[in-house]
Amino acid sequence: KAGVTQTPRYLIKTRGQQVTLSCSPISGHRSVSWYQQTPGQGLQFLFEYFSETQRNKGNFPGRFSGRQFSNSRSEMNVSTLELGDSALYLCASSLGGLAGIEDTQYFGPGTRLTVL
Amino acid sequence: AQKVTQAQTEISVVEKEDVTLDCVYETRDTTYYLFWYKQPPSGELVFLIRRNSFDEQNEISGRYSWNFQKSTSSFNFTITASQVVDSAVYFCALSGRDNDYKLSFGAGTTVTVRA
Repeated sequence: KAGVTQTPRYLIKTRGQQVTLSCSPISGHRSVSWYQQTPGQGLQFLFEYFSETQRNKGNFPGRFSGRQFSNSRSEMNVSTLELGDSALYLCASSLGGLAGIEDTQYFGPGTRLTVL
Repeated sequence: AQKVTQAQTEISVVEKEDVTLDCVYETRDTTYYLFWYKQPPSGELVFLIRRNSFDEQNEISGRYSWNFQKSTSSFNFTITASQVVDSAVYFCALSGRDNDYKLSFGAGTTVTVRA
């Protein structure tokens, strides 16, 4: 079974631009979560989508948004990029049953975003 | 609020040595889930194990073993006879109702295995 895929793997943008990252979950998985990883803050939860609805949200500004499609694929968008948005963005998928109960998240390879 | 502490920032060992990674957690939940993930240089987080709070049985998988002690809120991970391929960052994580089942990660421990 194919794992979680993320595109693109690397991205370079300039301040003020916007960016869209894509995540395709493992077949059969209905939940997709997004995490930001930086050297200073570590791994931080951004949001989770289940059945095309945002089910959970972390403490990030409104510039960070996402959506999920009917085939469970998810996209994450960051508008008005700032230098501090440079990070590895990881997507994770899970079966998505009762909120996290007996559920394991499997991660993709990540998208490394550099903001200049 | 939930919190995961991995006090060891970096560990360096010579091949074939055993290495133990410490993980201490805090939660108000009575039912919760603990995880270990490995992040090799490629960047992908690789799932290693999930442990439910009501199952305190230790587990061994090949050269990996986990020691869960609810009394001390610890979930330690041991690599026996380490190999160069074990070099990676290892993360301990916690999920439960207290944080809406989001994964709360520790800061990670970088393990370097020298040949």
